Amino acid sequence: EAGVAQSPRYKIIEKRQSVAFWCNPISGHATLYWYQQILGQGPKLLIQFQNNGVVDDSQLPKDRFSAERLKGVDSTLKIQPAKLEDSAVYLCASSLVRLAGGEQFFGPGTRLTVL
Amino acid sequence: AQKITQTQPGMFVQEKEAVTLDCTYDTSDPSYGLFWYKQPSSGEMIFLIYQGSYDQQNATEGRYSLNFQKARKSANLVISASQLGDSAMYFCAMREANTGNQFYFGTGTSLTVIP
Repeated sequence: EAGVAQSPRYKIIEKRQSVAFWCNPISGHATLYWYQQILGQGPKLLIQFQNNGVVDDSQLPKDRFSAERLKGVDSTLKIQPAKLEDSAVYLCASSLVRLAGGEQFFGPGTRLTVL
Repeated sequence: AQKITQTQPGMFVQEKEAVTLDCTYDTSDPSYGLFWYKQPSSGEMIFLIYQGSYDQQNATEGRYSLNFQKARKSANLVISASQLGDSAMYFCAMREANTGNQFYFGTGTSLTVIP
């Protein structure tokens, strides 16, 4: 079974530029999560999708961040314009069930550096 | 209030010894799941072990066991017979069934195994 795929793995941009990340979850996983992990901290949930609907985006900085999950499969996360404090690893995860017992499977992450 | 608290920023253990990583949680949801993830320096998040709130017995997975004390709201991870490859960040996480299944992560504990 293929895991969660993310691309690119690394991205370096200048502040005020735009960037987009892509995630392909494990086949059949209805729930998809985007996390931001700043160096030395735990992952912080940015947005959670159930199929192609948003379940929780309360911590997504909506003035600059946007995400979509068309057709309930792949997802993209965009930052426009980027700020220095957006430098972090962006993790995508998916899970099979909505019950409390379903663990998340994580992708390798995208390491973003904003200069 | 923090949903997940990990009070040990860093821990050291001698190879082949056992180590306990602390985790306390805060929830009023009767249905929840507790998870431990390992994050090596390469960055991927690896699922280790799961404990459901209604599980009567402590979860075990190979050298990993979860010391679940429901009344104290603690879910400590015990790693037996530590190996050099266990050196990594360890994150405790909780998923509540009645809040959209959002995952809450702690700040992590950095474990170093000494030869």
